[in-house]
Amino acid sequence: NAGVTQTPKFRILKIGQSMTLQCTQDMNHNYMYWYRQDPGMGLKLIYYSVGAGITDKGEVPNGYNVSRSTTEDFPLRLELAAPSQTSVYFCASRVPLRDNEQFFGPGTRLSVL
Amino acid sequence: DAKTTQPPSMDCAEGRAANLPCNHSTISGNEYVYWYRQIHSQGPQYIIHGLKNNETNEMASLIITEDRKSSTLILPHATLRDTAVYYCIVKDWSGNEKLTFGTGTRLTIIP
Repeated sequence: NAGVTQTPKFRILKIGQSMTLQCTQDMNHNYMYWYRQDPGMGLKLIYYSVGAGITDKGEVPNGYNVSRSTTEDFPLRLELAAPSQTSVYFCASRVPLRDNEQFFGPGTRLSVL
Repeated sequence: DAKTTQPPSMDCAEGRAANLPCNHSTISGNEYVYWYRQIHSQGPQYIIHGLKNNETNEMASLIITEDRKSSTLILPHATLRDTAVYYCIVKDWSGNEKLTFGTGTRLTIIP
């Protein structure tokens, strides 16, 4: 199993541009998550999904959109990039048993200039 | 979810046991204690979790006090590859998927 994979690894955007961060997992996990991590800080939840067709907001959803058309994929969309969205983005997934752990991808480092 | 308090940094000699404390004095009865770590620039990695009893796996041991107000993560024989930020998280899974990461403890293993 490749686990959770994310593309791209790095990206530089200009203010106002848009992009999609890709996340794929091959573990057949129903639950998937997007987090962001600002320098020196812990992770904050942006959006999550408990299954195909179901998404919900996390702690910091403004400026982002998500979709979940398949179990494997959970893309994160930035429509109008702003400098405040400069961060490292992590995708995660887990089995929907009550106390099961989350598996994280390697992250996407995004700079908005 | 209950909040946690961890020391910002710790050092440990290579080959010794690393003991990382965490206070969670407001933990409720249905909240689990989780430990994750993040090695520089990588995604967080799950280590271990528990509810009431002490737990051990191939990576670490988790000691939870009887009143559940604090816990200790033990890495029995620390290596240089254990240098990372360690996060203690308490989580109740009843209808809330948010996993709250604080700023953790930066553990440095000294050769």
